[in-house]
Amino acid sequence: RKEVEQDPGPFNVPEGATVAFNCTYSNSASQSFFWYRQDCRKEPKLLMSVYSSGNEDGRFTAQLNRASQYISLLIRDSKLSDSATYLCVVNAWGNQFYFGTGTSLTVIP
Amino acid sequence: GAVVSQHPSWVICKSGTSVKIECRSLDFQATTMFWYRQFPKQSLMLMATSNEGSKATYEQGVEKDKFLINHASLTLSTLTVTSAHPEDSSFYICSASGGLGNQPQHFGDGTRLSIL
Repeated sequence: RKEVEQDPGPFNVPEGATVAFNCTYSNSASQSFFWYRQDCRKEPKLLMSVYSSGNEDGRFTAQLNRASQYISLLIRDSKLSDSATYLCVVNAWGNQFYFGTGTSLTVIP
Repeated sequence: GAVVSQHPSWVICKSGTSVKIECRSLDFQATTMFWYRQFPKQSLMLMATSNEGSKATYEQGVEKDKFLINHASLTLSTLTVTSAHPEDSSFYICSASGGLGNQPQHFGDGTRLSIL
């Protein structure tokens, strides 16, 4: 079983839509969780860390469900510029970071 | 936010050439640096993890003699692709972390390597 699993998509949504991605992880002792976005032919950029109580940054909301071992990312009022691949990253311990394969999002005009 | 600089951003070389890629953390001390490779439309693949002052830990299937990693200081790690061949052409990305698990990785801009 993979350490981190994501639905690769693609998700094609109209501008203004709300879209949510989930990511499951296998190690219940995982400590830290992050969402990154990666644009085509570019490096991943940190979007937000995911805190136990959930956190919001503008149109983006991240949540953690330890009982079910998943994290989620919600994007409200999608913009064309949100089109990218979204990677979830889980830190199990120390320097052990596990990446999901990424979820592709295309926002359509 | 934390800044990681990677250089060069694009390299085109003849087969057999060795290529060195530098990764620098500009505004924080990177206890740990990671080197990844990514082929088109594929996921990031971790090649190796390096801690400052010690030998890198390579992932299974990555040849340590082919991909030489040096992490001599808290702000600089280098990856040297020795005697590169066309199949080594890829997007190489480094990332740096302060070493604590609750700190995210910060990625360099990546190096696009093309071997002719």
